[in-house]
Amino acid sequence: DAGVIQSPRHEVTEMGQEVTLRCKPISGHDYLFWYRQTMMRGLELLIYFNNNVPIDDSGMPEDRFSAKMPNASFSTLKIQPSEPRDSAVYFCASSLTGVTGELFFGEGSRLTVL
Amino acid sequence: DQQVKQNSPSLSVQEGRISILNCDYTNSMFDYFLWYKKYPAEGPTFLISISSIKDKNEDGRFTVFLNKSAKHLSLHIVPSQPGDSAVYFCAASNSGYALNFGKGTSLLVTP
Repeated sequence: DAGVIQSPRHEVTEMGQEVTLRCKPISGHDYLFWYRQTMMRGLELLIYFNNNVPIDDSGMPEDRFSAKMPNASFSTLKIQPSEPRDSAVYFCASSLTGVTGELFFGEGSRLTVL
Repeated sequence: DQQVKQNSPSLSVQEGRISILNCDYTNSMFDYFLWYKKYPAEGPTFLISISSIKDKNEDGRFTVFLNKSAKHLSLHIVPSQPGDSAVYFCAASNSGYALNFGKGTSLLVTP
């Protein structure tokens, strides 16, 4: 079975532009997570879904960030408008066993905002 | 506010020796702890975990120790191999809440 698939792998954009990151979780996994990795803060949870429903979005930094999960096989993380401080690697992860179980991560989307 | 802290950003160890990676946490409600390993340009992958009811869990060359009174856990790799060179993330959770990760420790195992 394929792992978690993220796209794009790399994104370079200019400040003010809209950015959309995409994720396909492992089939059958009911939990989907979005994490962001930076040097300063390490891996921080942005939001997670259970059965396509957002459960905890307290890590979403500002209203510029939004995430959706329209169905069990697809999720998006959108940043509008983007700012240079949003530059980071964004990881999507899915889990079969819940929030405290083993997470399976995608390869990440490296975002650079100029 | 980091609840999981990995105070050593990097560690260098000779091949064949023991690698010890440390992690401290502040939330006494954490009851499950995990270590993830990350190679460049890849996502983190699960390595080993431990429940708060145990103080040690072993899996091959990897052993995790938990000291609840000190709010400290460590990952021991014996013997260390060059392929172990990666960033190691400590993570913790309490029931019903998502994992908190540390900032990671970059391990370099030299031949």
